[in-house]
Amino acid sequence: DAKTTQPTSMDCAEGRAANLPCNHSTISGNEYVYWYRQIHSQGPQYIIHGLKNNETNEMASLIITEDRKSSTLILPHATLRDTAVYYCIVRFIIQGAQKLVFGQGTRLTINP
Amino acid sequence: KAGVTQTPRYLIKTRGQQVTLSCSPISGHRSVSWYQQTPGQGLQFLFEYFSETQRNKGNFPGRFSGRQFSNSRSEMNVSTLELGDSALYLCASSLGGASNSPLHFGNGTRLTVT
Repeated sequence: DAKTTQPTSMDCAEGRAANLPCNHSTISGNEYVYWYRQIHSQGPQYIIHGLKNNETNEMASLIITEDRKSSTLILPHATLRDTAVYYCIVRFIIQGAQKLVFGQGTRLTINP
Repeated sequence: KAGVTQTPRYLIKTRGQQVTLSCSPISGHRSVSWYQQTPGQGLQFLFEYFSETQRNKGNFPGRFSGRQFSNSRSEMNVSTLELGDSALYLCASSLGGASNSPLHFGNGTRLTVT
């Protein structure tokens, strides 16, 4: 199983860009990198995913290194509501079956 | 489009009892998976269903079981409850079958075993 490594916690000032790193050095060629976040007492919220290329949507940008061993989630203008635990996940399929392997995530705190 | 709906939101049970949790996926989603979340172990995969068939199972005892109905709704059952089963149980749905089809989670059922 591919595993991910993330910093335990990070702080960011409101209005600044929040850059959350993730290491997934054992990722294989057909595995996608997914990012979710979880606010207390709610289910994880899907943010973005990618395979090789950088991706951007209305919530965030995902930068994946060329060797695919690491990635960075970028929240361009962080707000207080972005305070959450952020999970970087490698998603894989085994014989048609899928599962996500969650690490401990990064607790991101946005400070006013 | 409505999101993933889990019921009930909260449950309190006694050791030895059994419990059934329900999950209604996003319309059109055929894959439903279940996760257990605890402070100590984080999010752990329980099982996944697709078109009423269990496709994958995590490392949980046989007391944990599930099923999926023809309308893709799913239930999970935990029998002979133990104190350690207290957790947030999360259901996620996706179109299924493709690594690039995101999973969408419900807000979970918080189970407390006393």
